[in-house]
Amino acid sequence: EVQLVESGGGLVQPGGSLRLSCAASGFTFSKAWMSWVRQAPGKGLEWVGRIKSKSDGGTTDYAAPVKGRFSISRDDSINTLYLQMNSLNTEDTAVYYCTTDQIYWGQGTLVTVSS
Amino acid sequence: QSVLTQPPSASGTPGQRVTISCSGSSSNIGSNYVYWYQQLPGTAPKLLIYKNNQRPSGVPDRFSGSKSGTSASLAISGLRSEDEGDYYCAAWDDSLSGWVFGGGTKLTVL
Repeated sequence: EVQLVESGGGLVQPGGSLRLSCAASGFTFSKAWMSWVRQAPGKGLEWVGRIKSKSDGGTTDYAAPVKGRFSISRDDSINTLYLQMNSLNTEDTAVYYCTTDQIYWGQGTLVTVSS
Repeated sequence: QSVLTQPPSASGTPGQRVTISCSGSSSNIGSNYVYWYQQLPGTAPKLLIYKNNQRPSGVPDRFSGSKSGTSASLAISGLRSEDEGDYYCAAWDDSLSGWVFGGGTKLTVL
């Protein structure tokens, strides 16, 4: 059974940083392209970015609102995906979901940016 | 404004058939697969349809997807009260080099 468990969310001040983690199991993580998707309170889904498998180059793509501030990485040795978020602002407040490139989804972790 | 356009709401009575549309462009729906998600209140999105019209195992055949040109549709037949929730379409966009979503359609079972 595929499982994706996000962690690391919480309250952070504007301008601050936070790192989210996603622990994966039940599939061959090293071969998977992984994405982060977020959902602001009461709003729709917004793609944040993705990372390809190392065998496919391991490159990353980001949505325009987060490019240059967010960074996605992976550690295939421990089946974990990361989202490093810097220069956070109030518009980044959302539930952040880890996905196997839009197929399987985790339960999400809430990030609140507020002073 | 979402790149993919969905009606904000849809409704039907139990047993009815409803369809939800998703309109895009040549850079997304017109050239890539469409995916559909169901999000029930307080839960994470769940994949309903992938690659335009394929159902993952466990998804009832009451749910079906189709695509024509730069538009796609999700049909739900034999509507049930537990189908109430939000539905989203998604596709890869070649121009944006990223996934794009519809704004979501809130389905109400009357």
